[in-house]
Amino acid sequence: GAVVSQHPSWVICKSGTSVKIECRSLDFQATTMFWYRQFPKQSLMLMATSNEGSKATYEQGVEKDKFLINHASLTLSTLTVTSAHPEDSSFYICSARPTLPDRHNEKLFFGSGTQLSVL
Amino acid sequence: QQPVQSPQAVILREGEDAVINCSSSKALYSVHWYRQKHGEAPVFLMILLKGGEQKGHEKISASFNEKKQQSSLYLTASQLSYSGTYFCGPRARLGNEKLTFGTGTRLTIIP
Repeated sequence: GAVVSQHPSWVICKSGTSVKIECRSLDFQATTMFWYRQFPKQSLMLMATSNEGSKATYEQGVEKDKFLINHASLTLSTLTVTSAHPEDSSFYICSARPTLPDRHNEKLFFGSGTQLSVL
Repeated sequence: QQPVQSPQAVILREGEDAVINCSSSKALYSVHWYRQKHGEAPVFLMILLKGGEQKGHEKISASFNEKKQQSSLYLTASQLSYSGTYFCGPRARLGNEKLTFGTGTRLTIIP
């Protein structure tokens, strides 16, 4: 089956620093990837849609200058949390949709998530 | 607007059945269902397409009522491994549209 690798799995950083999270599709190409954020005992909230070769589309209320998304290739998207603060502490999850229009095209494959703790 | 799921949480004894409902305010083309264990990524269960119903996983099935913009997930003879939080993900059309998850239902199975 399709595999999405996300790392790091967890990161602790000081307030004011930047953190980069990588999301890779290992055995398929993904024109579109999605970034979600999840607070404890809450649902996954979509932050942005990442499209290869173009600018990301951010959901309402998500600061694009704070959460920088780069989708430079068909297998890699990165999320950089700039000038992180304690309120940015959360579980971040990426997902990818295979580019090829087969029966799996509707299905999303998720990375294992990144737990970010900002001190 | 986020799809609403009910119940928010349910506790079952092993072997009992459960139904989880998902309601959307938009017209739907398909509905996804995922299960997430604590601290892990969501795992795909099944997709239901407009005009059809699909069984995807173990003793778990689902229905999709396009007119009512609702979907229900049925878990029969629940097993301990079914514990987790279930999310629906309605989609308005086929294609690259984003997937917005429902509010979630936390299911706990006890021996």
